[in-house]
Amino acid sequence: SAVISQKPSRDICQRGTSLTIQCQVDSQVTMMFWYRQQPGQSLTLIATANQGSEATYESGFVIDKFPISRPNLTFSTLTVSNMSPEDSSIYLCSVKAGGPQETQYFGPGTRLLVL
Amino acid sequence: AQTVTQSQPEMSVQEAETVTLSCTYDTSESDYYLFWYKQPPSRQMILVIRQEAYKQQNATENRFSVNFQKAAKSFSLKISDSQLGDAAMYFCAYRSLGGGADGLTFGKGTHLIIQP
Repeated sequence: SAVISQKPSRDICQRGTSLTIQCQVDSQVTMMFWYRQQPGQSLTLIATANQGSEATYESGFVIDKFPISRPNLTFSTLTVSNMSPEDSSIYLCSVKAGGPQETQYFGPGTRLLVL
Repeated sequence: AQTVTQSQPEMSVQEAETVTLSCTYDTSESDYYLFWYKQPPSRQMILVIRQEAYKQQNATENRFSVNFQKAAKSFSLKISDSQLGDAAMYFCAYRSLGGGADGLTFGKGTHLIIQP
């Protein structure tokens, strides 16, 4: 398994500003994922972040809005840029771990409210 | 693209009874993983059970078991002897096997209520 922490756990931001969310894993992992969970909704994959390469974004998500860094095998950041109230969501970091089991584990999430 | 459908927005069960949550999916792939995740009010996503599509045997984890019907593309979760702590949102999820598409595709979730 993998233990994942995220910072901040929650934040309230003004529209037009940016917020960077940090994700730290207790072991080295190749793949890290960022998901968004809008209020009362399911999880949607934003992007996949591999160390040493550009993140791969899913349809509907762009790098200018959600830039991602992956400086090493245990850490990643997601920035939500130029925020609007529609960005109010829970943002979850996830990693694939466990060798052949290939299970995805999730962080506790960052709850973001944009006013 | 793969899709995952959970047709039951909410289910209610009496404590100690058995409940089955439904999940269907659509894919053209032959190899993949299926998961059930639990999200309690704390919002932490917790893996409940995992099924590899190439395995015919249904996965079991204590009180949790699945009924995996590959031809029908069905993946239901059975919870036996329901406990109050089982109350949560349950999400069915799909993941491709290889090919670079390693993210999960989630269903909309089923809210499970446990009646004491």
